[in-house]
Amino acid sequence: EPEVTQTPSHQVTQMGQEVILRCVPISNHLYFYWYRQILGQKVEFLVSFYNNEISEKSEIFDDQFSVERPDGSNFTLKIRSTKLEDSAMYFCASTGGLAQQFFGPGTRLTVL
Amino acid sequence: AQSVTQLGSHVSVSEGALVLLRCNYSSSVPPYLFWYVQYPNQGLQLLLKYTSAATLVKGINGFEAEFKKSETSFHLTKPSAHMSDAAEYFCAVNFIGNEKLTFGTGTRLTIIP
Repeated sequence: EPEVTQTPSHQVTQMGQEVILRCVPISNHLYFYWYRQILGQKVEFLVSFYNNEISEKSEIFDDQFSVERPDGSNFTLKIRSTKLEDSAMYFCASTGGLAQQFFGPGTRLTVL
Repeated sequence: AQSVTQLGSHVSVSEGALVLLRCNYSSSVPPYLFWYVQYPNQGLQLLLKYTSAATLVKGINGFEAEFKKSETSFHLTKPSAHMSDAAEYFCAVNFIGNEKLTFGTGTRLTIIP
């Protein structure tokens, strides 16, 4: 069964450093998403991406964040200058347009 | 305003007892509704979904949920709890016209032996 994959599973970085979280969505899906979950809290929407551009973003997704689909398979989330409060689990999701979003296993980001 | 509410951040039930996890939404148009389960240190697994077909939806692991438009609810149930059901459960809503999923705050289910 096709699945969304994410790498790395755990990323530790120093405050102020740039990080790139990678996702490989399901191959025939067209819509891509990033969500985050701060430890012990609910899952929050960050951004959606369709047709090579951002279609919606939340207030969390400020200028420090960017997304890219550099090739036909990868979907990346970049945080330019990480802050302590960026520590969270980041989930990638994709959908073929039938409402159900398929989630990856997540990347746990720890900012020291 | 569109929102989703999960009543009860923690629910404990005895093994073999009924599981009932509550989810209510606020929207003038019935949305698509989902329940996800998250086991410790793992990702989100879809349990079941409502996308405007049958109002009683059956999912994996013996769970089911009923969409009640009049009550704007989508409560999750399981007739007999099993120890392996211990996890965090999230109700999520796709409001019509939005691409994103809006998640509830989650309910941690504990099973008492």
